[in-house]
Amino acid sequence: NAGVTQTPKFQVLKTGQSMTLQCAQDMNHNSMYWYRQDPGMGLRLIYYSASEGTTDKGEVPNGYNVSRLNKREFSLRLESAAPSQTSVYFCASSESLGAGGYTFGSGTRLTVV
Amino acid sequence: KQEVTQIPAALSVPEGENLVLNCSFTDSAIYNLQWFRQDPGKGLTSLLLIQSSQREQTSGRLNASLDKSSGRSTLYIAASQPGDSATYLCAVIFRASGGSYIPTFGRGTSLIVHP
Repeated sequence: NAGVTQTPKFQVLKTGQSMTLQCAQDMNHNSMYWYRQDPGMGLRLIYYSASEGTTDKGEVPNGYNVSRLNKREFSLRLESAAPSQTSVYFCASSESLGAGGYTFGSGTRLTVV
Repeated sequence: KQEVTQIPAALSVPEGENLVLNCSFTDSAIYNLQWFRQDPGKGLTSLLLIQSSQREQTSGRLNASLDKSSGRSTLYIAASQPGDSATYLCAVIFRASGGSYIPTFGRGTSLIVHP
Protein backbone atom coordinates (compact mmCIF):
# COMPACT_ATOMS: atom_id res chain seq x y z
CA ASN A 1 0.00 0.00 0.00
CA ALA A 2 1.24 3.48 -0.87
CA GLY A 3 2.06 5.69 2.06
CA VAL A 4 4.60 6.58 4.72
CA THR A 5 6.41 3.80 6.53
CA GLN A 6 8.14 4.35 9.87
CA THR A 7 10.45 2.01 11.71
CA PRO A 8 10.63 0.94 14.45
CA LYS A 9 7.10 1.11 15.89
CA PHE A 10 8.30 0.89 19.50
CA GLN A 11 11.65 1.53 21.15
CA VAL A 12 12.99 1.78 24.69
CA LEU A 13 16.32 3.56 25.19
CA LYS A 14 18.48 4.26 28.17
CA THR A 15 19.49 7.85 28.83
CA GLY A 16 22.52 8.73 26.72
CA GLN A 17 21.96 6.08 24.06
CA SER A 18 21.58 7.04 20.43
CA MET A 19 19.21 5.83 17.78
CA THR A 20 17.84 6.66 14.35
CA LEU A 21 14.19 6.65 13.39
CA GLN A 22 13.61 5.73 9.78
CA CYS A 23 10.93 7.08 7.47
CA ALA A 24 10.23 6.28 3.83
CA GLN A 25 7.47 7.39 1.47
CA ASP A 26 6.55 5.96 -1.90
CA MET A 27 4.29 8.74 -3.21
CA ASN A 28 7.05 10.72 -4.94
CA HIS A 29 6.48 13.58 -2.50
CA ASN A 30 9.05 16.37 -2.36
CA SER A 31 8.56 17.48 1.25
CA MET A 32 8.92 15.46 4.43
CA TYR A 33 8.48 16.26 8.12
CA TRP A 34 9.17 14.95 11.58
CA TYR A 35 6.75 15.71 14.42
CA ARG A 36 6.55 14.69 18.04
CA GLN A 37 3.25 14.31 19.86
CA ASP A 38 2.99 14.68 23.62
CA PRO A 39 -0.11 14.70 25.84
CA GLY A 40 -1.35 18.24 26.31
CA MET A 41 1.18 19.64 23.81
CA GLY A 42 -0.23 18.48 20.53
CA LEU A 43 1.94 17.90 17.47
CA ARG A 44 5.14 19.90 17.29
CA LEU A 45 7.41 20.13 14.27
CA ILE A 46 10.98 19.00 14.87
CA TYR A 47 12.55 19.28 11.43
CA TYR A 48 11.38 19.35 7.88
CA SER A 49 12.81 18.92 4.41
CA ALA A 50 11.26 21.00 1.66
CA SER A 51 12.97 18.96 -1.04
CA GLU A 52 15.78 16.48 -1.50
CA GLY A 53 19.03 17.99 -0.28
CA THR A 54 17.50 20.55 2.09
CA THR A 55 16.56 20.41 5.77
CA ASP A 56 15.33 23.09 8.17
CA LYS A 57 14.60 23.38 11.87
CA GLY A 58 11.08 23.39 13.15
CA GLU A 59 9.70 24.42 16.53
CA VAL A 60 11.61 21.93 18.72
CA PRO A 61 14.87 20.87 17.01
CA ASN A 62 17.19 20.71 20.03
CA GLY A 63 18.60 17.24 20.66
CA TYR A 64 17.78 15.97 17.17
CA ASN A 65 19.44 15.74 13.78
CA VAL A 66 17.98 14.74 10.45
CA SER A 67 19.16 13.41 7.11
CA ARG A 68 17.30 13.54 3.84
CA LEU A 69 18.99 10.49 2.37
CA ASN A 70 17.17 10.69 -0.97
CA LYS A 71 13.75 11.73 -2.18
CA ARG A 72 12.08 8.77 -0.45
CA GLU A 73 13.82 8.68 2.91
CA PHE A 74 14.08 11.12 5.82
CA SER A 75 15.66 9.92 9.06
CA LEU A 76 15.64 11.43 12.55
CA ARG A 77 18.57 10.83 14.89
CA LEU A 78 18.78 11.20 18.64
CA GLU A 79 22.48 11.46 19.48
CA SER A 80 22.16 11.25 23.27
CA ALA A 81 18.63 10.38 24.34
CA ALA A 82 17.07 12.15 27.33
CA PRO A 83 13.87 11.31 29.25
CA SER A 84 12.35 14.53 27.88
CA GLN A 85 12.47 12.93 24.44
CA THR A 86 9.98 10.26 25.47
CA SER A 87 7.20 10.81 22.98
CA VAL A 88 5.41 9.50 19.92
CA TYR A 89 7.20 10.50 16.73
CA PHE A 90 5.41 10.91 13.42
CA CYS A 91 6.85 11.27 9.97
CA ALA A 92 4.76 12.93 7.26
CA SER A 93 5.11 13.88 3.63
CA SER A 94 3.43 16.19 1.15
CA GLU A 95 3.74 16.92 -2.55
CA SER A 96 5.45 20.20 -1.76
CA LEU A 97 5.97 22.52 1.17
CA GLY A 98 2.69 24.14 2.12
CA ALA A 99 0.65 22.17 -0.40
CA GLY A 100 -1.23 20.42 2.37
CA GLY A 101 -2.42 16.93 1.61
CA TYR A 102 -0.14 15.51 4.29
CA THR A 103 0.21 11.77 4.64
CA PHE A 104 1.35 10.50 8.02
CA GLY A 105 3.10 7.36 9.11
CA SER A 106 1.74 5.24 11.94
CA GLY A 107 4.26 6.58 14.44
CA THR A 108 7.15 5.43 16.64
CA ARG A 109 6.52 5.23 20.37
CA LEU A 110 9.83 6.02 22.10
CA THR A 111 10.49 5.70 25.79
CA VAL A 112 13.75 6.94 27.32
CA VAL A 113 14.47 5.62 30.81
CA LYS B 1 3.88 33.27 17.03
CA GLN B 2 1.05 31.81 14.98
CA GLU B 3 -1.33 29.68 17.01
CA VAL B 4 -4.14 27.26 16.26
CA THR B 5 -6.85 26.68 18.88
CA GLN B 6 -9.49 23.97 18.85
CA ILE B 7 -12.67 24.18 20.88
CA PRO B 8 -14.01 22.17 22.56
CA ALA B 9 -11.13 20.01 23.77
CA ALA B 10 -13.51 17.11 24.36
CA LEU B 11 -17.05 16.26 23.33
CA SER B 12 -19.38 13.38 24.18
CA VAL B 13 -22.64 13.04 22.28
CA PRO B 14 -25.33 10.44 21.58
CA GLU B 15 -25.41 8.77 18.21
CA GLY B 16 -27.29 10.67 15.51
CA GLU B 17 -26.43 14.19 16.58
CA ASN B 18 -25.05 16.77 14.18
CA LEU B 19 -21.74 18.18 15.43
CA VAL B 20 -19.64 21.28 14.94
CA LEU B 21 -15.94 21.29 15.78
CA ASN B 22 -14.12 24.60 15.78
CA CYS B 23 -10.62 25.64 14.78
CA SER B 24 -9.38 29.21 15.18
CA PHE B 25 -6.07 30.73 14.10
CA THR B 26 -4.29 33.96 14.90
CA ASP B 27 -3.02 34.97 11.45
CA SER B 28 -5.29 35.36 8.43
CA ALA B 29 -2.35 34.95 6.02
CA ILE B 30 -2.85 31.24 5.57
CA TYR B 31 -2.09 29.08 2.58
CA ASN B 32 -4.47 26.25 3.34
CA LEU B 33 -6.07 24.31 6.17
CA GLN B 34 -6.47 20.59 6.67
CA TRP B 35 -8.62 18.50 9.00
CA PHE B 36 -7.40 15.13 10.27
CA ARG B 37 -8.72 12.31 12.34
CA GLN B 38 -6.58 10.32 14.77
CA ASP B 39 -7.69 7.06 16.32
CA PRO B 40 -6.09 6.02 19.64
CA GLY B 41 -2.54 4.75 19.15
CA LYS B 42 -2.64 5.44 15.44
CA GLY B 43 -1.34 8.00 12.97
CA LEU B 44 -3.29 10.85 11.42
CA THR B 45 -5.72 10.31 8.58
CA SER B 46 -6.52 13.22 6.29
CA LEU B 47 -10.21 14.17 6.08
CA LEU B 48 -10.49 17.43 4.16
CA LEU B 49 -8.12 20.02 2.69
CA ILE B 50 -9.33 23.59 2.08
CA GLN B 51 -7.24 25.93 -0.01
CA SER B 52 -7.15 29.59 1.05
CA SER B 53 -9.24 30.54 -2.01
CA GLN B 54 -12.02 28.11 -1.06
CA ARG B 55 -14.88 28.56 1.39
CA GLU B 56 -15.71 24.92 2.05
CA GLN B 57 -15.08 21.29 1.21
CA THR B 58 -17.38 18.29 1.58
CA SER B 59 -16.80 14.58 1.84
CA GLY B 60 -19.74 12.34 2.69
CA ARG B 61 -21.10 13.36 6.10
CA LEU B 62 -18.26 15.83 6.65
CA ASN B 63 -18.25 19.48 5.68
CA ALA B 64 -15.44 21.90 6.47
CA SER B 65 -15.75 25.65 6.08
CA LEU B 66 -13.12 28.37 6.10
CA ASP B 67 -13.50 32.04 7.04
CA LYS B 68 -10.09 33.68 6.83
CA SER B 69 -11.31 37.12 7.85
CA SER B 70 -12.51 35.84 11.21
CA GLY B 71 -9.68 33.30 11.55
CA ARG B 72 -11.99 30.30 11.83
CA SER B 73 -12.71 26.92 10.32
CA THR B 74 -15.51 24.58 11.35
CA LEU B 75 -15.86 20.86 10.76
CA TYR B 76 -19.47 19.76 10.57
CA ILE B 77 -20.26 16.08 11.11
CA ALA B 78 -23.78 15.08 10.16
CA ALA B 79 -25.65 12.22 11.81
CA SER B 80 -22.77 11.15 14.03
CA GLN B 81 -21.99 7.45 14.51
CA PRO B 82 -19.96 5.54 17.14
CA GLY B 83 -17.34 4.95 14.44
CA ASP B 84 -16.74 8.72 14.34
CA SER B 85 -15.21 8.52 17.82
CA ALA B 86 -11.63 9.81 17.50
CA THR B 87 -9.56 12.93 17.98
CA TYR B 88 -9.99 15.54 15.26
CA LEU B 89 -7.06 17.82 14.50
CA CYS B 90 -6.85 20.99 12.50
CA ALA B 91 -3.60 21.95 10.73
CA VAL B 92 -3.07 25.44 9.35
CA ILE B 93 -0.36 26.25 6.85
CA PHE B 94 0.79 29.78 7.53
CA ARG B 95 3.04 31.75 5.30
CA ALA B 96 6.09 32.21 7.51
CA SER B 97 8.85 34.73 6.94
CA GLY B 98 11.15 33.87 4.07
CA GLY B 99 8.37 32.28 2.06
CA SER B 100 8.34 28.97 3.92
CA TYR B 101 4.95 27.38 4.50
CA ILE B 102 4.96 25.71 7.88
CA PRO B 103 2.05 23.59 9.18
CA THR B 104 0.86 24.32 12.71
CA PHE B 105 -1.48 21.89 14.47
CA GLY B 106 -4.17 22.52 17.02
CA ARG B 107 -4.31 20.23 20.05
CA GLY B 108 -7.44 18.52 18.80
CA THR B 109 -10.99 17.78 19.87
CA SER B 110 -11.54 14.35 21.40
CA LEU B 111 -14.94 13.09 20.26
CA ILE B 112 -16.92 10.21 21.75
CA VAL B 113 -20.17 9.19 20.09
CA HIS B 114 -22.08 6.74 22.27
CA PRO B 115 -24.81 4.43 21.03
